[in-house]
Amino acid sequence: QVQLQESGPGLVKPSETLSLTCTVSGGSMSPYFWSWIRQPPGKGLEWIGYVYSSGSTNYSPSLKSRVTISVDTSKNQFSLRLISVTAADTAVYYCARFILMSGAFDMWGQGTRVTVSS
Amino acid sequence: QSALTQPASVSGSPGQSITISCTGTGGDVGGYNYVSWYQQHPGKAPKLMIYDVSDRPSGVSNRFSGSKSGNTASLTISGLQAEDEADYYCYSYTSISTWVFGGGTKLTVL
Repeated sequence: QVQLQESGPGLVKPSETLSLTCTVSGGSMSPYFWSWIRQPPGKGLEWIGYVYSSGSTNYSPSLKSRVTISVDTSKNQFSLRLISVTAADTAVYYCARFILMSGAFDMWGQGTRVTVSS
Repeated sequence: QSALTQPASVSGSPGQSITISCTGTGGDVGGYNYVSWYQQHPGKAPKLMIYDVSDRPSGVSNRFSGSKSGNTASLTISGLQAEDEADYYCYSYTSISTWVFGGGTKLTVL
């Protein structure tokens, strides 16, 4: 059974860079898409973007200028990097496996809370 | 890129059926059959309930069904149970090759 686990700092200062890693266990990263989704406190889900196992990416237009998602299949990990963060980036960040042919996330991590504050 | 429109809340009594709508445009929900639905209990990760508008993953109860008419997709839960109380989100492909979630609907089982 494939499992996903997010890791990274729970607190980031304003204007700095948020970096998270998702470790995939129990299965291969190929040939799947791997995605990041976030959820601000008390609000709905927001799609951030995804990376294919080959490294190609697709990002939300609203975050595209600040976000990078990368993959390292040798480590069974993919990562999120969000620059110039503000309090509006405070959220629970989820990693998930995305099945493009179905347009659906079939596997999710448990989520990790990131707070942007000085 | 605006979120798809869902009612903020719906409610129903045990045993009843409810429907949650997800309204977009011809550039997303109406133009493609890539609509999925997720159930999220408080403090938990979302769970896939419906994909490709109306298909159910293995293990999801057949009380959950999906459909689409025009620019509106719908999730119907029949035989409502207490455990169905959760937030529900729709998700769709868009014409600019990106993806978007609905704003979410809180289901209360009375």
